[in-house]
Amino acid sequence: DIQMTQSPSSLSASLGDRVTMTCRASQSIGSYLNWYQQKPGKAPKLLIYAASSFQSGVPSRFSGSGSGTDFTLTINSLQPEDFATYYCQQSYSSLWTFGQGTKVEMK
Amino acid sequence: QVQLQQWGAGLLRPSETLSLTCAVSGGSFSSSYYWTWIRQTPGKGLEWIGDINHSGGTNYNPSLKSRVTMSVDTSNRQFSLRLSSVTAAETAVYYCARRTMSQLPFNYNYYYYMDVWGEGTTVIVSS
Repeated sequence: DIQMTQSPSSLSASLGDRVTMTCRASQSIGSYLNWYQQKPGKAPKLLIYAASSFQSGVPSRFSGSGSGTDFTLTINSLQPEDFATYYCQQSYSSLWTFGQGTKVEMK
Repeated sequence: QVQLQQWGAGLLRPSETLSLTCAVSGGSFSSSYYWTWIRQTPGKGLEWIGDINHSGGTNYNPSLKSRVTMSVDTSNRQFSLRLSSVTAAETAVYYCARRTMSQLPFNYNYYYYMDVWGEGTTVIVSS
């Protein structure tokens, strides 16, 4: 199985901050990396696919980068609705796996 | 706009069979989509269970393969999950989702992601 490791597991930030979180794959996965946002009691929501492609309707303050084993999700100018948990997920192998999540909390 | 509505038994005893169904409204049920099941537990996080296409082609998580059966009912635009011999450790929120494929400009590769999700069903396994 391809292991996905996210860091940090949580972070505290203020409105307007630039927030960066990382996801590392246990082997190279090219650009087969998706990012999801999940709020409490809700299903995950797709933000970014193919490492850096925006899902329709996602605000432009979200951006993804990386390839191979190291990936980054950046939120520019954090908004109140962005406090949530973010998950990466690889679709390189036939067994899809997720990271354990990064929780963005209010400072 | 595509929506997924899911339902099924929320309380099971150990060794029983979990059964969930997800109905697709709006959009295409066929074409290039796979219909997916994922579960989420506090301990293991998000876990991909498997998926099925409109023709009944399936992909299962190897760790669950011996106990998982997915089926599709194209006439009613529904797909279902059965997981036998459940244990307390499989207490989780179960989600259905649509797996979509895209090809990026100037790129021969196809990329897959889950772009539409159901609301989730909490399944508790307890004696």
